[in-house]
Amino acid sequence: GENVEQHPSTLSVQEGDSAVIKCTYSDSASNYFPWYKQELGKGPQLIIDIRSNVGEKKDQRIAVTLNKTAKHFSLHITETQPEDSAVYFCAARWSTLTFGKGTMLLVSP
Amino acid sequence: DAGVIQSPRHEVTEMGQEVTLRCKPISGHDYLFWYRQTMMRGLELLIYFNNNVPIDDSGMPEDRFSAKMPNASFSTLKIQPSEPRDSAVYFCASSTGLAGYEQYFGPGTRLTVT
Repeated sequence: GENVEQHPSTLSVQEGDSAVIKCTYSDSASNYFPWYKQELGKGPQLIIDIRSNVGEKKDQRIAVTLNKTAKHFSLHITETQPEDSAVYFCAARWSTLTFGKGTMLLVSP
Repeated sequence: DAGVIQSPRHEVTEMGQEVTLRCKPISGHDYLFWYRQTMMRGLELLIYFNNNVPIDDSGMPEDRFSAKMPNASFSTLKIQPSEPRDSAVYFCASSTGLAGYEQYFGPGTRLTVT
């Protein structure tokens, strides 16, 4: 089955800095790669996704890149703000979603 | 829409007791998923339904776990008998499709088995 590795497990940045979270996947047939944000006490919420026919996608301060050859994809958050503090999950899909273990992002004012 | 609704939000029970978790998906969503979240294993898919029919239950850890979806607006996840290692946060999610569709998660049920 699909396996998704996510790094780092924790990430601390200063407000205004950029944050990058990286994931690798095992199944080359995966064709959909969403990113979810989970705030304390809440369920995960989709923030951005990318499909295998696209190399990069941006939405305001958030961008995702995909390298199908290397089977890795990354989340980039620019100009981080304290409200970006949360756990971020990458996922890859072949039939159902397989999630990475998550990255706890802490943005300090 | 109120989003995915789960109840209870917190459940504390003793080992050996039966536990029932409940979920109301978003109206019009054809797919319903049950996930378990732990620090060690992350988010694991337990089972999913399409149009109230269980499609894949390969993630259900053992026979103590069972899930039902009697109609389009209600699903349950039952653990009988419960064990301390079942302690986790259980999420229900729904979506309008399987392939590349956003999954909308409920707030989760935090289960503690003592």
